Amino acid sequence: QLQLQESGPGLVKPSETLSLTCTVSDDSIRSNIYSWAWIRQPPGKGLEWIGHIYYTGSTYYNPSLKSRVTMSVDTSRNQFSLQLTSVTAADTAVYFCARRDGSSVSLDYWGQGTLVTVSS
Amino acid sequence: QSALTQPASVSGSPGQSITISCTGTISDIGSYNFVSWYQQHPGKAPKLMIFNVNNRPSGVSDRFSGSKSGYTASLSISGLQADDEADYYCTSYTSTTTNYVLGTGTKVTVL
Repeated sequence: QLQLQESGPGLVKPSETLSLTCTVSDDSIRSNIYSWAWIRQPPGKGLEWIGHIYYTGSTYYNPSLKSRVTMSVDTSRNQFSLQLTSVTAADTAVYFCARRDGSSVSLDYWGQGTLVTVSS
Repeated sequence: QSALTQPASVSGSPGQSITISCTGTISDIGSYNFVSWYQQHPGKAPKLMIFNVNNRPSGVSDRFSGSKSGYTASLSISGLQADDEADYYCTSYTSTTTNYVLGTGTKVTVL
């Protein structure tokens, strides 16, 4: 059973950079069948797709976040990462990582999520 | 990026059937069969319930089914149970530059 685990600081100061890493339990991160996604959910609100990345480094970002988002992948560590710059309180959310199956374009495995609070 | 439109809430009594709609455009649902549905219980990660419009992953109850007509996809739940009370989200591939679009979410209440 594939597992994904988010890690990173739970508290980030306004104007600073949020950095999260997702560790994948197997080497499917090297497969061209899958891409690797970040989704967030502000408290009490719906899901918001942030973007996804292929092992080649090719990325797709939500246009509303594109100017502040960078995703990267480290296949040697079975990890992919998210950086979100110039954060504000509006970026407070539970951040999920997930595997996106290219054959169905569905998010078939998810991490448990990690709460990131933006506050001074 | 325009989200797929879902009703904010749907409710039903135990044993009844309900349907949740998900409306998109010619760029997503109207042109592709890459519609998925997710169930999310409070405090939990979403769970894939339906992919490719009407396919269930292994382990998902056959009380859940999906369909599509035109620009609208639907998730039906038959024999409603207390544990079906959750938020449900649809997603679709899109030909726009974003490549992917999420629904607004529907809260299902079991009366």
